[in-house]
Amino acid sequence: EAQVTQNPRYLITVTGKKLTVTCSQNMNHEYMSWYRQDPGLGLRQIYYSMNVEVTDKGDVPEGYKVSRKEKRNFPLILESPSPNQTSLYFCASSLWDSPGEKLFFGSGTQLSVL
Amino acid sequence: QKEVEQNSGPLSVPEGAIASLNCTYSDRGSQSFFWYRQYSGKSPELIMSIYSNGDKEDGRFTAQLNKASQYVSLLIRDSQPSDSATYLCAVSRGRDDKIIFGKGTRLHILP
Repeated sequence: EAQVTQNPRYLITVTGKKLTVTCSQNMNHEYMSWYRQDPGLGLRQIYYSMNVEVTDKGDVPEGYKVSRKEKRNFPLILESPSPNQTSLYFCASSLWDSPGEKLFFGSGTQLSVL
Repeated sequence: QKEVEQNSGPLSVPEGAIASLNCTYSDRGSQSFFWYRQYSGKSPELIMSIYSNGDKEDGRFTAQLNKASQYVSLLIRDSQPSDSATYLCAVSRGRDDKIIFGKGTRLHILP
């Protein structure tokens, strides 16, 4: 089954404790991206990757890191989480389907930073 | 700053009626337009894409695009309670450009 898999589904942590949210897709998609979703602010892009070893900042990259060592995986790293990073996070992937892109989303990670 | 604007709602529509969701965008270079549906606590799911002016129909859903007015809409015919969700409008210049989401419109179908 074609899917984007995120883990964990729920995560509660404390300020400053490094964490990683994993994302993996089995569709051989070139493009992968991380979003956060907050009430009243909608979906905001954190980082994206066009292909292996190619990453770039989205709209809200501060406090986050990513890596793309393999085509299927795109982990999101919070080196020193803070309470303002409490949010619902989504990983997404897509093929380059000219003239646009159609995103497939993971099931989300609800993160709470205390 | 590229923007995609949607009325946040909630938009309440009686079951069986037509629900009309609207979206405007600021970037005249936009070429690709998408509607995603998001149930509460779930991830967004693509339901329609449209690239040319006019209407595109898929079952009970019709997407309408007017590039001159920078306006895209989604019509849902014969609305069902299962259509109750938040609908996200998304816009892109196309390949090699990121997609920009509106904040979504909450739709509530009244039984």
